[in-house]
Amino acid sequence: DAGITQSPRHKVTETGTPVTLRCHQTENHRYMYWYRQDPGHGLRLIHYSYGVKDTDKGEVSDGYSVSRSKTEDFLLTLESATSSQTSVYFCAISEPSGTGRLYEQYFGPGTRLTVT
Amino acid sequence: AQSVTQLDSQVPVFEEAPVELRCNYSSSVSVYLFWYVQYPNQGLQLLLKYLSGSTLVESINGFEAEFNKSQTSFHLRKPSVHISDTAEYFCAVSDDPGNTGKLIFGQGTTLQVKP
Repeated sequence: DAGITQSPRHKVTETGTPVTLRCHQTENHRYMYWYRQDPGHGLRLIHYSYGVKDTDKGEVSDGYSVSRSKTEDFLLTLESATSSQTSVYFCAISEPSGTGRLYEQYFGPGTRLTVT
Repeated sequence: AQSVTQLDSQVPVFEEAPVELRCNYSSSVSVYLFWYVQYPNQGLQLLLKYLSGSTLVESINGFEAEFNKSQTSFHLRKPSVHISDTAEYFCAVSDDPGNTGKLIFGQGTTLQVKP
């Protein structure tokens, strides 16, 4: 158990409204990631963070922003939700090995978001 | 750019039969390879990983995968499946020179074990 929680677990919202998803970890890991999962696409990276206030874009970042003001929390915001953002969102963490390399990630339980 | 292809979207198999889930990646540069499993309505769990050394890696529940550099493949196998192995399986690759930890995932393969 990597000590990752996501909230809310389910959300239905209307097109055009802002939405914020929260990822919380208890293990003080430096690296955190947001993915979306869609049928036929596997998981695609939205944004990631390598420390407090240090974030960067992933493969599918358009329409999303992130913030990390504390080590334990990584927030994903949809500024104006669209139907194409209906998806399951996963947060993940990683921690450097003894050599400093990053390898596997550990995932939270996911948030199912429906935009109507 | 690196890409990962899982050649089968669904694999139906009878209980106690062998199974192979195929995974190919695009780049032959130094890579790290992973298989994750996702049970219904859950997050992804790491099943096994190849970082270096022996090309055959095993999981605690009987799965194994073999890294084949010449064929750029990392196929997952199990000699005898159980009903409880029904899940979606994802292959992932990292060839991450910047050490950001970013993973590239395949599209996923749904393993359906039938009694």
